[in-house]
Amino acid sequence: GAGVSQSPSNKVTEKGKDVELRCDPISGHTALYWYRQRLGQGLEFLIYFQGNSAPDKSGLPSDRFSAERTGESVSTLTIQRTQQEDSAVYLCASRLAEATDTQYFGPGTRLTVL
Amino acid sequence: GENVEQHPSTLSVQEGDSAVIKCTYSDSASNYFPWYKQELGKGPQLIIDIRSNVGEKKDQRIAVTLNKTAKHFSLHITETQPEDSAVYFCAASITKAGWGKLQFGAGTQVVVTP
Repeated sequence: GAGVSQSPSNKVTEKGKDVELRCDPISGHTALYWYRQRLGQGLEFLIYFQGNSAPDKSGLPSDRFSAERTGESVSTLTIQRTQQEDSAVYLCASRLAEATDTQYFGPGTRLTVL
Repeated sequence: GENVEQHPSTLSVQEGDSAVIKCTYSDSASNYFPWYKQELGKGPQLIIDIRSNVGEKKDQRIAVTLNKTAKHFSLHITETQPEDSAVYFCAASITKAGWGKLQFGAGTQVVVTP
């Protein structure tokens, strides 16, 4: 079946604008993660959703960042009042929780804040 | 929290030679250690993983070893080929129902020259 998809693939925005990034996980995967990857660096955990449980938001860098997930499907990461330091690739991963540890990553959204 | 260090940051090898990447972790409770390969413009792809109850795992030209006492694990690629050129990330996590967020190393840029 289809893998994890993300949209848009690229987003250029002006400082101070809000952006929304979308993730469509693999069908049936109950766990969903967002990570941020700055240029030339490793991935930083942002937020985690598992079924109907309260999300783990411990990785969100500021209150300008928020995320939602509709049931066990689509998730949206929102960044308000974007800053230049928000420029990065935002990666989404999904996992068939309770059956496997493997996280499957999408291609990412490259965000550039001018 | 967990901290993962990865070395070297860059690795250049001749085609046919072996490549070794090493990682250390800080949290002794970590029990799952995946390795991801990331090609330019793509999301990370899982290439091999190991759990804390296993000391070594092999899949064709790729092998991973884990030393729980020393808290380090390594990726070994034998008979390297140009298509092995990519950035490789190690990661660690504590897996249990409702968790599994990965802490990544900073990555190793591997270049295989023909």
